[in-house]
Amino acid sequence: DAGITQSPRHKVTETGTPVTLRCHQTENHRYMYWYRQDPGHGLRLIHYSYGVKDTDKGEVSDGYSVSRSKTEDFLLTLESATSSQTSVYFCAITQGVRPYEQYFGPGTRLTVT
Amino acid sequence: GEDVEQSLFLSVREGDSSVINCTYTDSSSTYLYWYKQEPGAGLQLLTYIFSNMDMKQDQRLTVLLNKKDKHLSLRIADTQTGDSAIYFCAERSNNAGNMLTFGGGTRLMVKP
Repeated sequence: DAGITQSPRHKVTETGTPVTLRCHQTENHRYMYWYRQDPGHGLRLIHYSYGVKDTDKGEVSDGYSVSRSKTEDFLLTLESATSSQTSVYFCAITQGVRPYEQYFGPGTRLTVT
Repeated sequence: GEDVEQSLFLSVREGDSSVINCTYTDSSSTYLYWYKQEPGAGLQLLTYIFSNMDMKQDQRLTVLLNKKDKHLSLRIADTQTGDSAIYFCAERSNNAGNMLTFGGGTRLMVKP
């Protein structure tokens, strides 16, 4: 357990509405990541952060934005949700001592109707 | 670009060994990983291997790496029903963000 929580754990929303998912960590990890998981695709990286206010795009960043105003929170925002963004979203961290070990949160299941 | 491939499904009998295979394309991969995902849960880091190794053993788990063929395998000895899950292979390239690229996952079913 790397001290990662995600909220909400489940959400149903309508097409066109904004949605924000939160990842919270309690152990001062520098790197944080947002992935989405879809059947047959494994996990694909959306965005990541390497420090407060430092973020970069991943493989599937279109339609998503992120913010990190403090070390412990990494927010993922869907400005205008679409049905193609129905997915399970996972937050992850890498630990400073062993940056090659990446640990995942419990996930958020998002359904866009 | 990077690509990681796995077979979709594997079925074994309880007590047998399971071997889950993975191929990757990025020759600059530095670490290769195996994660386990049980239904409704997040990904659990099972084990990983550094690219200058060809084998790593950890209790019932054995990881074999063939860098020439870009092939990674996970062997689970004495497979138990609790090992039923989806197993993901992932690679980490030499990048600044410590980013991982995942395969599509192999569903392991263990029959009693």
